[in-house]
Amino acid sequence: LAKTTQPISMDSYEGQEVNITCSHNNIATNDYITWYQQFPSQGPRFIIQGYKTKVTNEVASLFIPADRKSSTLSLPRVSLSDTAVYYCLVGDFQGSGTYKYIFGTGTRLKVLA
Amino acid sequence: DAGVTQSPTHLIKTRGQQVTLRCSPKSGHDTVSWYQQALGQGPQFIFQYYEEEERQRGNFPDRFSGHQFPNYSSELNVNALLLGDSALYLCASNRLGEERTGELFFGEGSRLTVL
Repeated sequence: LAKTTQPISMDSYEGQEVNITCSHNNIATNDYITWYQQFPSQGPRFIIQGYKTKVTNEVASLFIPADRKSSTLSLPRVSLSDTAVYYCLVGDFQGSGTYKYIFGTGTRLKVLA
Repeated sequence: DAGVTQSPTHLIKTRGQQVTLRCSPKSGHDTVSWYQQALGQGPQFIFQYYEEEERQRGNFPDRFSGHQFPNYSSELNVNALLLGDSALYLCASNRLGEERTGELFFGEGSRLTVL
């Protein structure tokens, strides 16, 4: 069963770069790595996904080393509105082309003024 | 383009009652998954529907059941409610074949309180 491990919480200050690392030691060859952001009482929102090396979009970067056993979400110059819970997910192949996505407890990021 | 919509947004029930939650997937999506999120926890996978059939299921009792309609919308039913069923229930949709990328689109959830 694909499982991820993340730090429970992190604090940062406005304007700083935040890096959240996720461990997924038993990731399968075909699995992608996906990160979500969730604000209180809202559904998770897709941030970024990647397979290997580096992926960048307008809100974040995702760094994946060659062995793919971990990944790092990088949020540049965070603001107070980035205070949220961040989840790292890896798909768990169930057979017949179906995947099940298991959320961990996530990382609670608190951005301070 | 409407995203995933869920109803009701909030509801209160008493122990032993039954509840039905509804979800309309994002336009173009045909697969719906349901998650339960207790306060302070990550979402827990309940089950997934495609072509009106349950394709896979998480570790939830039979009190939790679902349905998918021909228009891809879905319902989650919970019978014999327990206090521990109080949670935010999230619906997520995706297009079959794109599951591997892990990009699920979530609704805002239905907050169920059981008294």
